[in-house]
Amino acid sequence: DQQVKQNSPSLSVQEGRISILNCDYTNSMFDYFLWYKKYPAEGPTFLISISSIKDKNEDGRFTVFLNKSAKHLSLHIVPSQPGDSAVYFCAASIKAAGNKLTFGGGTRVLVKP
Amino acid sequence: NAGVTQTPKFQVLKTGQSMTLQCAQDMNHNSMYWYRQDPGMGLRLIYYSASEGTTDKGEVPNGYNVSRLNKREFSLRLESAAPSQTSVYFCATSWDISNQPQHFGDGTRLSIL
Repeated sequence: DQQVKQNSPSLSVQEGRISILNCDYTNSMFDYFLWYKKYPAEGPTFLISISSIKDKNEDGRFTVFLNKSAKHLSLHIVPSQPGDSAVYFCAASIKAAGNKLTFGGGTRVLVKP
Repeated sequence: NAGVTQTPKFQVLKTGQSMTLQCAQDMNHNSMYWYRQDPGMGLRLIYYSASEGTTDKGEVPNGYNVSRLNKREFSLRLESAAPSQTSVYFCATSWDISNQPQHFGDGTRLSIL
């Protein structure tokens, strides 16, 4: 029973265009959400996060949107660059329960030059 | 500037053998975590240590033990390895249990024959 799901295992996008990655969750107690980026043979690196009190957070080319009623978050990358080719994981946590992360299965993004 | 260091990077074991995965951090973080990553399933929490001297079970603790040797080091032990434990193992740290994000090492790829 996966509480955090990324239903698109892969995504291909042209350089300069927008990449949109989606993530759905089932546990309404989650109150903090993160996106991690992972290159092959490396550990995940933190990209951007959002608290449940917000519906949008932006950091440079990366924007995360949270729709609590739909239990859905998305990551927008604009414009996409070849260096963005990686696997992206969304993760969720409950602050009052020790902030342990529950991860989605990941989406592999390929940005074509 | 190492951050989170995991050793070894690769290991092949036979069923029934024992093995300890090592994790050391120089970030002066209080909390440390062990995850396993399997294809399509994202990362799943095995054990965590909120602070030196404490350890707690995560989502998938069966077949594993941990030791928080000191503030810097957190080891994961497989007493009798099974093929189902073939995975990539990641160690992570955070300032404390209530803070994100977590910072990850580059992983240990473990194969059990």
